[in-house]
Amino acid sequence: NAGVTQTPKFQVLKTGQSMTLQCAQDMNHNSMYWYRQDPGMGLRLIYYSASEGTTDKGEVPNGYNVSRLNKREFSLRLESAAPSQTSVYFCASSKNSGEKLFFGSGTQLSVL
Amino acid sequence: AQSVTQPDIHITVSEGASLELRCNYSYGATPYLFWYVQSPGQGLQLLLKYFSGDTLVQGIKGFEAEFKRSQSSFNLRKPSVHWSDAAEYFCAVGARGGGYQKVTFGIGTKLQVIP
Repeated sequence: NAGVTQTPKFQVLKTGQSMTLQCAQDMNHNSMYWYRQDPGMGLRLIYYSASEGTTDKGEVPNGYNVSRLNKREFSLRLESAAPSQTSVYFCASSKNSGEKLFFGSGTQLSVL
Repeated sequence: AQSVTQPDIHITVSEGASLELRCNYSYGATPYLFWYVQSPGQGLQLLLKYFSGDTLVQGIKGFEAEFKRSQSSFNLRKPSVHWSDAAEYFCAVGARGGGYQKVTFGIGTKLQVIP
């Protein structure tokens, strides 16, 4: 049972480049989330998907887009990366919203 | 909107000593409360959660937390710390009710354990 799988683990981008972070869960969870973690800021919610077919903005959505491809997969896209998007990104899932979160191992992204 | 305060950014304890990490929350009703732990280079793992019932909650790795409504607190405790407990600890609050329920995290407390 893999849980929540994120790819890639590390990525370096130049300003203006685009990329997609992939996330998949195999626990049949309804809700999925993307967080970013910055020193002194804790985890901040970027986007979430309460259930398949729905997505909504979290606290810090600017510069990001998401796709809930199916119940298992939830991707995060940076269309034009900026240095301010340098961070560690975590995907998470829960059976339903507000419940225990299961986290992936994170993606360390640097934008130069 | 809910919020979480972890007043201690960094704590150092000796191995074998007791530990208490503080967490205060702001929410209009009784929330869901969580403690997560993050080891270096890893994602977060749930230590324990409070949904309802007994206000003293037992978790994994010998941790416990007590929900005190009057103080809006959910402090994490461990009677004897092991070197492997060195990690960052996050308190989180989740809202109750229908529809999407957001979970809000504190900024974390980094625990250092010295021999």
